[in-house]
Amino acid sequence: DSGVTQTPKHLITATGQRVTLRCSPRSGDLSVYWYQQSLDQGLQFLIQYYNGEERAKGNILERFSAQQFPDLHSELNLSSLELGDSALYFCASSVLVGDTQYFGPGTRLTVL
Amino acid sequence: EDKVVQSPLSLVVHEGDTVTLNCSYEVTNFRSLLWYKQEKKAPTFLFMLTSSGIEKKSGRLSSILDKKELFSILNITATQTGDSAVYLCAVEERNYGQNFVFGPGTRLSVLP
Repeated sequence: DSGVTQTPKHLITATGQRVTLRCSPRSGDLSVYWYQQSLDQGLQFLIQYYNGEERAKGNILERFSAQQFPDLHSELNLSSLELGDSALYFCASSVLVGDTQYFGPGTRLTVL
Repeated sequence: EDKVVQSPLSLVVHEGDTVTLNCSYEVTNFRSLLWYKQEKKAPTFLFMLTSSGIEKKSGRLSSILDKKELFSILNITATQTGDSAVYLCAVEERNYGQNFVFGPGTRLSVLP
């Protein structure tokens, strides 16, 4: 158990819908990262937050957005969902930018 | 385009064998190279390498980075069935923020 929690564990929804994935980092960690893992694309970095501010963007679609709240938990919002968005979404956290990242168990999103 | 290549993509060995996993990369503004082990769910951190020629060790696992030739190797000695997993290599680059580029992974199967 890494200490990073993600909810929900599984999510099934339909195309065109919007969902919110939640992540609570390890106690004391200020940085949160979001990743997408699909069978055809592998693991891809989406976005990073540090102490409430966006620090880096990777391959994140415009339909996706994220934020980190004052209590340091983070949410990833996915809208206008498409079949290809079906994937495992991981959150990871680290104390500071550049430190070891600890991954949460992931949220499996299925878009039907 | 930034890329990370891992070889082999799949490997089957018997307990007690020694394996070498390879990772080569082409990224701009390299900062570090990371190795992760992914069993059923979330990746778990193994090593972070930033300097060439300095071997990092953890038990039966070791890794080294060659920044001139742009590659890293992960060695596992005296393999055990519990080493069966996908081993992911990722490269961190720094431009105005961070970005992480992951390789496709090497699937290692250790037979008893």
